[in-house]
Amino acid sequence: DTEVTQTPKHLVMGMTNKKSLKCEQHMGHRAMYWYKQKAKKPPELMFVYSYEKLSINESVPSRFSPECPNSSLLNLHLHALQPEDSALYLCASSQEGQNLRGEQFFGPGTRLTVL
Amino acid sequence: RKEVEQDPGPFNVPEGATVAFNCTYSNSASQSFFWYRQDCRKEPKLLMSVYSSGNEDGRFTAQLNRASQYISLLIRDSKLSDSATYLCVVILPRGDSSYKLIFGSGTRLLVRP
Repeated sequence: DTEVTQTPKHLVMGMTNKKSLKCEQHMGHRAMYWYKQKAKKPPELMFVYSYEKLSINESVPSRFSPECPNSSLLNLHLHALQPEDSALYLCASSQEGQNLRGEQFFGPGTRLTVL
Repeated sequence: RKEVEQDPGPFNVPEGATVAFNCTYSNSASQSFFWYRQDCRKEPKLLMSVYSSGNEDGRFTAQLNRASQYISLLIRDSKLSDSATYLCVVILPRGDSSYKLIFGSGTRLLVRP
């Protein structure tokens, strides 16, 4: 199983809502990542979890809150988002957990619209 | 100067052509390099890692030029299915012994019949 799955595929939310994005991998990977990608732009790294611990937070606003319940799951909790947070949110995983790795497997993403 | 730069293209080439893209990086201490492809409205997929000695995978060849601080991707015998955006990834050190990962802005390739 070489797949990273993400749910939901699409999400529309108001600025006062609380929602969560979910990501799952069963490849035994020890690092998981959240990226944000705006249209016609490259992915921007948001968070990295290594061995279920947050190892990198790229100065992401606190309205985005990551959580790694176990080595296979990664969540991104959303609260009080702004319309400019509308984007494709991509999850990725990589085998090695200790160092930042460039060989990553990406999920299909959640397309988020904030009204 | 941006830390990682790519020519946005598009590169419009006929089937069977050979095409090459470059990706330049500004930090000479950059450590690891990769090429990804991303199809429209899809997730990025790893194409290949870039090794110091250069590496080849079928029709694709990746090279690293540390002196001039760029990596390249050569695609031979282009296929229609090669049409995509090609993104480079660079891992470079910060000042505090941690690392950061940066995607280039991507080069769009269109292969025409």
